[in-house]
Amino acid sequence: DGGITQSPKYLFRKEGQNVTLSCEQNLNHDAMYWYRQDPGQGLRLIYYSQIVNDFQKGDIAEGYSVSREKKESFPLTVTSAQKNPTAFYLCASSIGETSNQPQHFGDGTRLSIL
Amino acid sequence: GDSVTQMEGPVTLSEEACLTINCTYTATGYPSLFWYVQYPGEGLQLLLKATKADDKGSNKGFEATYRKETTSFHLEKGSVQVSDSAVYFCALSDGTGGFKTIFGAGTRLFVKA
Repeated sequence: DGGITQSPKYLFRKEGQNVTLSCEQNLNHDAMYWYRQDPGQGLRLIYYSQIVNDFQKGDIAEGYSVSREKKESFPLTVTSAQKNPTAFYLCASSIGETSNQPQHFGDGTRLSIL
Repeated sequence: GDSVTQMEGPVTLSEEACLTINCTYTATGYPSLFWYVQYPGEGLQLLLKATKADDKGSNKGFEATYRKETTSFHLEKGSVQVSDSAVYFCALSDGTGGFKTIFGAGTRLFVKA
C-alpha cells in the first residue's frame, strides 16, 4: 500500500543537539510538507517542497532546515537554534498539480527535550 | 490572506446525537475545501472534500456543503458514535503558493456512550 512513513515515532533531543526527522513517501507525489502541531493547536507550516531540489520556507521556518534530494524523501532537521522544539511533527505530501487534491499525512514524530 | 475559522471545542455529545461543527473561510480565489480527522497519536486523514460551490462532500455518514454565498463548509452527522471521538480540521487550498493548505485550529469532539 502507498503511504507516508515517518520515523522515529518518538525522539528525544539534548540541549545543543541537532536531530533529523525522517519522512518517506511512495505515492509518487511531487509536493511534500512539514508541519508542527502543539497541544490543542492547529497545524503550522514549517517548510514545503514542490519539486526535487527545491523548497520554500513556511510560516515558522526559523530553527529548522530541510533537503529534497529525492522525490520520495523530505527530511527535517531541528537545529539547536530552535529553542522550543517540543511538539508533534507531521509530514504530508500531495500530487501538487491542482488545488483540489488533498494532502496525505504520516503518523507523526513526537519530539521532546531531555 | 486566506484563512479558516472553525468553532472552538471541545464539543461533547451523547451517542446518537446530531453533530454540527461550523467552519467559515476567507479566500481570494475559488478554493477547494476539506475536512480532515485526527485520532489520538496519529496524523490527519482526509474525511471529505468539495471543489466548487454547492458541491456536497460525504463520507462515513459525515456531510459538508460548499456554500459560496456564506463562505461556509459546516460538518454534519446525523448520529454520532463513540468511535467518532477525534479532532476535526477544516481546511482550504486555493492552488497558490505551492498548493499550500490552510488549516483551521481544529475542533475536538468527545462522544459519550
